[in-house]
Amino acid sequence: EVQLVESGGDLVQPGGSLRLSCAASGFIFTSHWMSWVRQAPGKGLEWVANINFDGSDKNYVDSVKGRFTISRDNAANSLSLQMNSLRADDTAVYYCVRNGGAFDMWGQGTTVTVSS
Amino acid sequence: DIQMTQSPSSLSASVGDRVSITCRASQGIRNHLGWYQQKPGKAPKRLIYSASYLQSGVPSRFSGSGSGTEFTLTISSLQPEDFATYYCLQNNSYPRTFGQGTKVEIK
Repeated sequence: EVQLVESGGDLVQPGGSLRLSCAASGFIFTSHWMSWVRQAPGKGLEWVANINFDGSDKNYVDSVKGRFTISRDNAANSLSLQMNSLRADDTAVYYCVRNGGAFDMWGQGTTVTVSS
Repeated sequence: DIQMTQSPSSLSASVGDRVSITCRASQGIRNHLGWYQQKPGKAPKRLIYSASYLQSGVPSRFSGSGSGTEFTLTISSLQPEDFATYYCLQNNSYPRTFGQGTKVEIK
């Protein structure tokens, strides 16, 4: 069974940092691009970033460029999102998603709240 | 950026109704479009990929059509479990962009 399990969400102050993780299982991790998608409370879905098979190609939505870094550890079948300089508008549920654009499998999400 | 405009933003329908949701792209995206269903408190679930291909395990009452800039998701006979919010997504170019969502409610 394909599983994506996110962790690391928390309450953090504006300007702070947080690292999200996603543990993947049930599929060949190295065969898939991976992505992060977020959803602010009561709002729609927003693609955040993706990464290719070996981590050599990364793409970001403009609003997080220079602040967020996506990475992967293929030996551990894990995906990460390092989030720095967090702002209130980064508050959202963050989903780990399989694939770089045709998002076919989603984790259950982890909640990030940026507030003082 | 490619803007994805869904219509309507919400609709009320009865069990058994035929329902259609439209997604328009601000520029051509070929068939690089997916449709997703999201229920409250849950992660989205893919229904359709490449505009018209049914995701494995998804009931055949769901169908997708379109190419270029205009796309449609159709539910042929609405079932109680179909009441949810639906999103389109373009994966033709960066940044990937979603429509704003269509909430399907019970009449």
